[in-house]
Amino acid sequence: DVKVTQSSRYLVKRTGEKVFLECVQDMDHENMFWYRQDPGLGLRLIYFSYDVKMKEKGDIPEGYSVSREKKERFSLILESASTNQTSMYLCASSLRGSDGYTFGSGTRLTVV
Amino acid sequence: LAKTTQPISMDSYEGQEVNITCSHNNIATNDYITWYQQFPSQGPRFIIQGYKTKVTNEVASLFIPADRKSSTLSLPRVSLSDTAVYYCLVGPLVPFSSNTGKLIFGQGTTLQVKP
Repeated sequence: DVKVTQSSRYLVKRTGEKVFLECVQDMDHENMFWYRQDPGLGLRLIYFSYDVKMKEKGDIPEGYSVSREKKERFSLILESASTNQTSMYLCASSLRGSDGYTFGSGTRLTVV
Repeated sequence: LAKTTQPISMDSYEGQEVNITCSHNNIATNDYITWYQQFPSQGPRFIIQGYKTKVTNEVASLFIPADRKSSTLSLPRVSLSDTAVYYCLVGPLVPFSSNTGKLIFGQGTTLQVKP
């Protein structure tokens, strides 16, 4: 089974801090994604990557950046955390042309 | 961009068949239809995917009419453990640039299975 591992399950950070959310997948998938999920808004795509060092903006990239230096790792960076970035963050990966995404368990980030 | 519309919630009883319909009027030629299941505090889990007609696996069936403007996820004989949010997703298998193809999760359908 493909495993997508997110480094933290729960995280509390202060406003203005730089925050790194790490995601690692172990099945050589080309595509990786970062979503955030908020009540009433569903899942919204922040960034995705379809190859090493490649990245594409999703629907809500503002306030975020990403890094994909290695195929198995896709990092989401909050340059200066704000309270409106309090959310559940979900990482996913997929094979190019595959029949579905595999999601991680999520990181619940609280910015105070 | 292909937007999806699903019922916000549905109730069912154990042992019944549940059908959840998703509308996607603007589906593109290269878009596939994928359904996910999500339990609280977990990431979504892939259930089934199709392009046209009918697809069946060990968990569910997916019915897609010829015009592809809607699809129906069918869960046979649901149990209490099928209580979850179900998402209909429409998009290409390979993500293109953000200008040409994006995968959009709808609001999802909260299915409550009662004993």
